Amino acid sequence: AQSVTQLGSHVSVSEGALVLLRCNYSSSVPPYLFWYVQYPNQGLQLLLKYTSAATLVKGINGFEAEFKKSETSFHLTKPSAHMSDAAEYFCAVSDLNRDDKIIFGKGTRLHILP
Amino acid sequence: DTGVSQDPRHKITKRGQNVTFRCDPISEHNRLYWYRQTLGQGPEFLTYFQNEAQLEKSRLLSDRFSAERPKGSFSTLEIQRTEQGDSAMYLCASRSAYTDTQYFGPGTRLTVL
Repeated sequence: AQSVTQLGSHVSVSEGALVLLRCNYSSSVPPYLFWYVQYPNQGLQLLLKYTSAATLVKGINGFEAEFKKSETSFHLTKPSAHMSDAAEYFCAVSDLNRDDKIIFGKGTRLHILP
Repeated sequence: DTGVSQDPRHKITKRGQNVTFRCDPISEHNRLYWYRQTLGQGPEFLTYFQNEAQLEKSRLLSDRFSAERPKGSFSTLEIQRTEQGDSAMYLCASRSAYTDTQYFGPGTRLTVL
């Protein structure tokens, strides 16, 4: 069975500082990995995805994530936080070759301090 | 491409009432998914369709829940005899056969009093 663990339900960083949101996954097959962002009272927006191509994945809004198979991790980073980055972030895993559903982590709420 | 739309955006109902939500996927997306998101949690898979066929249902989908996609376009999710535990955000997503990305709608927030 696939699963995702996000370390830290809340993360606070100062504006301009590095953003690091941690995600570890468990999968018995090569996974597809995603990061989604959710702003208040809105649906989910895809930030980036890993689908077995390059291990360093660049997404929208300056975010990127690195797939590390040996560590079963897919941490999300952004060099310099902006106030508009304040939102809930979800790491997710899927096996598109099998059953297509996405398994989400519990989410990390990112707070940006002025 | 107008995105996935859901209606209504908010629904307040009394315990025991039936409610129905609608999802309109992105045009020509043949796969449609329903998820439920409770407060402080990530979305949880409920069910999905390929065209009009319902291919998988989560054990979260009790017999009070039914989903349809009669013509392979829009979908409805009905909850009968609602309970307070049904209060959640219900998210719909769609994708085409040519992409691995699910696109999410804004969700329907259900509050059962």
